[in-house]
Amino acid sequence: AQTVTQSQPEMSVQEAETVTLSCTYDTSESDYYLFWYKQPPSRQMILVIRQEAYKQQNATENRFSVNFQKAAKSFSLKISDSQLGDAAMYFCAYRSAGNQFYFGTGTSLTVIP
Amino acid sequence: GAVVSQHPSRVICKSGTSVKIECRSLDFQATTMFWYRQFPKQSLMLMATSNEGSKATYEQGVEKDKFLINHASLTLSTLTVTSAHPEDSSFYICSARDQKRGGPGELFFGEGSRLTVL
Repeated sequence: AQTVTQSQPEMSVQEAETVTLSCTYDTSESDYYLFWYKQPPSRQMILVIRQEAYKQQNATENRFSVNFQKAAKSFSLKISDSQLGDAAMYFCAYRSAGNQFYFGTGTSLTVIP
Repeated sequence: GAVVSQHPSRVICKSGTSVKIECRSLDFQATTMFWYRQFPKQSLMLMATSNEGSKATYEQGVEKDKFLINHASLTLSTLTVTSAHPEDSSFYICSARDQKRGGPGELFFGEGSRLTVL
C-alpha cells in the first residue's frame, strides 16, 4: 500500500516570509497524482495545488509552488509571502491509479504576525 | 470548484442510538463518494467508498454493520452510525469527485460532521 509521510507535525513562519512543508511518499506506481490540501479551523478541506506525476515541471499556483522530485518520491510545498490566512493544517495526499487517496498526517502551520 | 455539503455539521447523541449523516453533491453528480474519519490532530482515515446503486466498499477494520452507507442517488450518500458509543465520537468527512470539473483526480470535500456520543 502507498504511504505518505509528513515529518513536520508543526511549522511556523513569520508573516511575509517563505516556508516549505515536506512530504515524501512510497509507491511502486509510475502514474499517479499528488496534492496539497489545506484544512483551516473551519475544517473544510480545500485544494491548494496538484501535480501530475508524468509532468516534470513543478506546479505553481500564485504564492504556492511545489518541488516535485519523482525519483526521490518527494513533494514539498513552498508558501511564499506568507499571510495570516495561510494558517491551517496542510495535508499531502497521493492518488493512486486505482483512484484511492492516501493522506499524510498533516503539518500544522502557524503564521506569526 | 464543485460543492459538497454535509449535514448536520454537529450532532450530539446518547450512547446506543443511531445517527445519520448526509453528504450531498450540490452542483454535480457523483457516482462515487468517500467517507473519512478524522481524530483530533490526525490525518483522514478512509472508512469506505460509497458507490451509487451498489454496496459500499469498506476499508479493512471498518465494521460494515456499524457504519451503514447508502448511496441511493447520484447526489446523496448517507452514513449511519448505528448503536453509537463514545468511542465513535469523531469528525466525519465526505468527499466526491466531479468528473467534469476540477482537475484530474481532485476531490471536493464536505464541511465535515462532528459527532459526540455521550
